[in-house]
Order: sequence, then C-alpha cells, then structure tokens
Amino acid sequence: DTAVSQTPKYLVTQMGNDKSIKCEQNLGHDTMYWYKQDSKKFLKIMFSYNNKELIINETVPNRFSPKSPDKAHLNLHINSLELGDSAVYFCASSSRGQVGELFFGEGSRLTVL
Amino acid sequence: GENVEQHPSTLSVQEGDSAVIKCTYSDSASNYFPWYKQELGKRPQLIIDIRSNVGEKKDQRIAVTLNKTAKHFSLHITETQPEDSAVYFCAVYGSGNTGKLIFGQGTTLQVKP
Repeated sequence: DTAVSQTPKYLVTQMGNDKSIKCEQNLGHDTMYWYKQDSKKFLKIMFSYNNKELIINETVPNRFSPKSPDKAHLNLHINSLELGDSAVYFCASSSRGQVGELFFGEGSRLTVL
Repeated sequence: GENVEQHPSTLSVQEGDSAVIKCTYSDSASNYFPWYKQELGKRPQLIIDIRSNVGEKKDQRIAVTLNKTAKHFSLHITETQPEDSAVYFCAVYGSGNTGKLIFGQGTTLQVKP
C-alpha cells in the first residue's frame, strides 16, 4: 500500500539510449511532480502536472518528456541519455489547492555510462 | 523568482547537543515553510512545517521558528541522537499558485555518539 511508487529503482544504461521511469500514486492527489537530485544532493523541480495538465516545466531539455495518462500516473521518458543525466529522480504528489506536504516516491537512481 | 538559501551545508554535533539550521527566502508573499529530512538512500520526508500566521512550532525535539520581517526560518533539534543524522532541506513555495516547492541546498547533519 505504498503511497507513491516509482519503477525501476535502479537504472544503468549507456549514453545515447532512451529510458523511462514510471510513477504512480494512490493518495488521490491531483498534482504530481518530477524532481532531480544530483550528486550534491540539490533537489530541483523538473515538471509538475495537475490533473494530466502540465503546469510547471523548469526549462528542462526537450529530451525529457513527461507523460500523464491519468492523474494517478506521471511517467518520465528520457531520450538520448547523456552523462549529466545521472542522478536520482524523485516522483512526488500533493493535493492541489492546498499548500502542504509533498509525498515523495523512493527515487530512481539513473546511471549513464 | 523565489530564492532559498540554506546554511550551514554541513553540521557536526555531539550526541545530546542542539543543532540549528537556517534558511532565508526572497519572496515576502511566501506563507508556508516546511522542513524535510532525507536519510541516506531514502526519500525526503516532511518532519515539521510552519505557516506564516505563527512564529514558532514545536514537535517533541524539533522546532521551527519563523521571522517574516527578516525573511528567515530555522530548524532547531534539541538533544540530538545518532538517528537524527541525515540531510535536512528547507523549502518554500514559488510565487504564484503553481505549487512549485523550491528547496534549499540541504544541510548534512552528523550526530557523533
């Protein structure tokens, strides 16, 4: 009964490949996010979707394409992976209209070789 | 846009001592100030938050104080224990109603037994 779950937990791949990370939440939240945490632990927002609609895109390269088939899912597809894409990617969700807690998934560690 | 500065970046204390982490923000309209704890290899989790209508909030050994005039807020941990060792992040919401939570740079707290 994990609240925010993302798969896979670990991804190791070669430069130039394409990969996807899936995220699902069962909290009934309207808003979902992708955050990137680099090796220095900085947590930076990448995207936010509210009810399947993109509301935040933090000038992320267009090699990153989020997709939200419904409000409980927000997947992240990355094309032409680069070394600098290596990071931990966290999915999160919150209840729109309420300034409050962000619930994070366990993270997906992406290593690009 | 909103900017959050967090200090110190690392903090080492002896078990039983107190620890204080401070954050400053730029948007005077900010009204919600959470603190997240991230243990090694785990997800960030909310540990305490404060809204702008109060100056202090306490939950057992942790407390948060807010100075809206000076635009800073602080996390206080008393009687520290080894399990308090983690990375702590402050956060504020970006301007506008986008739900964009902006995190400070993080503070790595080490509690020595």
